[in-house]
Amino acid sequence: DIQMSQSPSTLSASVGDRVTITCRASQSISGWLAWYQQKPGKAPKLLIYKASSLESGVPSRFSGSGSGTEFTLTITSLQPDDFATYYCQHYSTYSSITFGQGTRLEIK
Amino acid sequence: QVQLQESGPGLVKPSETLSLTCAVSGYSISSGYYWGWIRQSPGKGLEWIGSMYHSGSTYYNPSLKSRVIISVDTSKNQFSLKLNSVTAADTAVYYCARDGGYSAYYFSYWGQGTLVTVSS
Repeated sequence: DIQMSQSPSTLSASVGDRVTITCRASQSISGWLAWYQQKPGKAPKLLIYKASSLESGVPSRFSGSGSGTEFTLTITSLQPDDFATYYCQHYSTYSSITFGQGTRLEIK
Repeated sequence: QVQLQESGPGLVKPSETLSLTCAVSGYSISSGYYWGWIRQSPGKGLEWIGSMYHSGSTYYNPSLKSRVIISVDTSKNQFSLKLNSVTAADTAVYYCARDGGYSAYYFSYWGQGTLVTVSS
């Protein structure tokens, strides 16, 4: 099984900061990675797919990069609405869908 | 706009079967995409349960495969989840979702989620 590991688990930042969240796969997954944002009591929201493709309607301050085993989600100029938990998801085949454990982005 | 809405009992007894339904509006299940279930245990991360195509093709998480059945009712434009022999470890918020399309096994549309508690 392919395991997904996110770091850090918690990230403290201020409005206007640039932040980066890392997701590592236990083996190469090419570019089959998605990123989600989840707020308390809400369903996850798709932000990025295929490692770097921005979902329609998602602000351009969100960007994704990486391939193989290491991926990053970057948020430039943090807005108050961005404080949430972020998850990565591997999806190379339907029998191998796994999520990272999440990164909580909190206000410093 | 595609919308999904989960429904079903919020309390299930241990060893019994958890049954949930996801009603879809704004898109016909018969038109395509895989439709799936994901759960999130309280305070924990996300776990994919399984997904199915309107034709009946299904994929299940290997760790849950022996206990899960996902089925579709195209006449009602809804799909269902059955998870048998539940234990307290199955207590979670259950989400239904639609994937991103051909070879795009991420989830573009989600329901709001429904909490299912397993307790006697």
